Amino acid sequence: AQSVSQHNHHVILSEAASLELGCNYSYGGTVNLFWYVQYPGQHLQLLLKYFSGDPLVKGIKGFEAEFIKSKFSFNLRKPSVQWSDTAEYFCAVNAMDTGRRALTFGSGTRLQVQP
Amino acid sequence: DTAVSQTPKYLVTQMGNDKSIKCEQNLGHDTMYWYKQDSKKFLKIMFSYNNKELIINETVPNRFSPKSPDKAHLNLHINSLELGDSAVYFCASSRILGWNTEAFFGQGTRLTVV
Repeated sequence: AQSVSQHNHHVILSEAASLELGCNYSYGGTVNLFWYVQYPGQHLQLLLKYFSGDPLVKGIKGFEAEFIKSKFSFNLRKPSVQWSDTAEYFCAVNAMDTGRRALTFGSGTRLQVQP
Repeated sequence: DTAVSQTPKYLVTQMGNDKSIKCEQNLGHDTMYWYKQDSKKFLKIMFSYNNKELIINETVPNRFSPKSPDKAHLNLHINSLELGDSAVYFCASSRILGWNTEAFFGQGTRLTVV
């Protein structure tokens, strides 16, 4: 079964710092990859997604992620974070060939941006 | 318009009670899900329905019973609630995953069992 690892559990940054959150998955076949964000007390919202094509995908609010197939990674980046980016970030994978019709999530990374 | 809506948003109940959470989506999707988010924020799939048919049933106690009266609704009924059931339950919907689709999530239902 596929799994997703997010190695950074809690990240604290100052405003304007650059962000990179790691995400690795364990599945050798075709995947769709996602980053979701959960602001305090709110539901999950899609930040960005990778289905195919250009491995560098851009999402909302200045976020981007790069799919590196050889490393089974899909790291999230933002050049300059804002206080409003404080949230929980989840990486998720859908393993296309398994027939399993559900996303598998990582354990999440809590990002705290200090003003 | 709310795409995926869940009710109630908060639910506090005593151990041993039976409760239901309702979910509705107006996106025209054919697949709906229930996810459980525990106190450590870990999200895990519980159930998935496609066109009212159960397609995923993870290792969940049989006190949990999903019901899908139609494609737009997926309700979760929980019998004999236990303290460990306290969590946030998220409903989601999508076109059937596997065809380059994304899942849309509801606001969540915070269940507290006392």
